[in-house]
Amino acid sequence: EVQLVQSGAEVKKPGESLKISCKGSGYSFTSYWIGWVRQMPGKGLEWMGIIYPGDSDTRYSPSFQGQVTISADKSISTAYLQWSSLKASDTAMYYCVRGQLWFDTHHFDYWGQGTLVTVSS
Amino acid sequence: QSALTQPRSVSGSPGQSVTISCTGTSSDVGGYNYVSWYQQHPGKAPKLMIYDVSKRPSGVPDRFSGSKSGNTASLTISGLQAEDEADYYCCSYAGSYTFEVFGGGTKLTVL
Repeated sequence: EVQLVQSGAEVKKPGESLKISCKGSGYSFTSYWIGWVRQMPGKGLEWMGIIYPGDSDTRYSPSFQGQVTISADKSISTAYLQWSSLKASDTAMYYCVRGQLWFDTHHFDYWGQGTLVTVSS
Repeated sequence: QSALTQPRSVSGSPGQSVTISCTGTSSDVGGYNYVSWYQQHPGKAPKLMIYDVSKRPSGVPDRFSGSKSGNTASLTISGLQAEDEADYYCCSYAGSYTFEVFGGGTKLTVL
């Protein structure tokens, strides 16, 4: 069974750093893309970026380029999303997704349970 | 890159059909057959309902169907059921620079 299990909720102060994780299981972690999607409170989904763990090829939405870093450790089948200096506006639910992004198909077929990040002084 | 345009809300009675539109540009929806649709119930993670414009993942009822004409994609839900009440989001590939873009979401109410 394919599963994406995300790390737990975080409460941080503005200016602090943070790294959240997403562990894949039930499939070949290095053969599928892993992406991140933001959902601010009461708002819609926003695509942030994606990584192919097989070769670490990483793409970012222009809206999030330079604001976050996406990485992966294929030895433990885990992808990461990190911030170096959080802002209150980073408060949101963050979902990791498995991407089927090939020449003949493009979609996100499995989603993690979400990690709630709260940034408040 | 602006989000794809969806109606804020739609509604229908049980047994009826509803259609949710998703309007983009020739750089995203109109340029690729890579539109997908996601259902999100309150407090839950989104779930894939339609991909590549009109394909259904296994386990998704055939009441859900997708189509595209020009720069507008559509999700149609026939034989509405109470459990279909949720938020629905479209998503499209938008080229190698932007990569993916979501719609703003549509709240479906089953009356």
